[in-house]
Amino acid sequence: QVNLVESGGGVVQPGGSLRLSCAASGFAFSSFGMHWVRQPPGKGLQWVSFIQFDGANKYYTDSVKGRFTISKDNSRNTLDLQINSLRPDDTAIYYCAKDRGYSGYDGGYFDYWGQGVRVTVSS
Amino acid sequence: EIVLTQSPVTLSLYPGERATLSCRASQGVNSYLAWYQQKPGQAPRLLIYDASNRATGVPARFSGSGYGTDFTLTISSLEPEDFAVYYCQQRAHWFTFGGGTKIEIK
Repeated sequence: QVNLVESGGGVVQPGGSLRLSCAASGFAFSSFGMHWVRQPPGKGLQWVSFIQFDGANKYYTDSVKGRFTISKDNSRNTLDLQINSLRPDDTAIYYCAKDRGYSGYDGGYFDYWGQGVRVTVSS
Repeated sequence: EIVLTQSPVTLSLYPGERATLSCRASQGVNSYLAWYQQKPGQAPRLLIYDASNRATGVPARFSGSGYGTDFTLTISSLEPEDFAVYYCQQRAHWFTFGGGTKIEIK
């Protein structure tokens, strides 16, 4: 079955950096795009970033452009999110999520999610 | 940005009752809308995609409808495990979520 396991969260000071990782198994990782979605404490869901199945194209929500970088290693079945210049409003649980669309077709929904990793930005 | 507005914010119901949740988009999203369920301490779960298609393994008591700007998630008869927060999400223009509706036990 599909399994997504995030790691790399923690407490970091404003301006700091973290690298989040997501290990995927149970599906053809190289054939599906992947997302990061975050949820601030006690709040709703916010889409953060998407990478196409082959890694060719990457997309970000405006508030993280230039600070976050998504990457995908299809040989190791891993998804990463490098997050730099962290701000207090980046504090959230970060989820990796599989896109429903096969090879980019009919995607845009999040059909499997990891358990999430907590990122806290505080001095 | 397409804004999704969910109502009500909280729905207080008894097990066995019918739940009707609304999601309104600030501009048309065709049928490109999904619904998710989230329980405390857990990741969201996809329930419905493309407005009315149930995801794998989702019970038939969950149904979705709507097109354009107005969408509805209906739970025909609430089971104890259905008390949770529900989010709608659109994929017509990037990806945005609604603020959520919490179904609580009355």
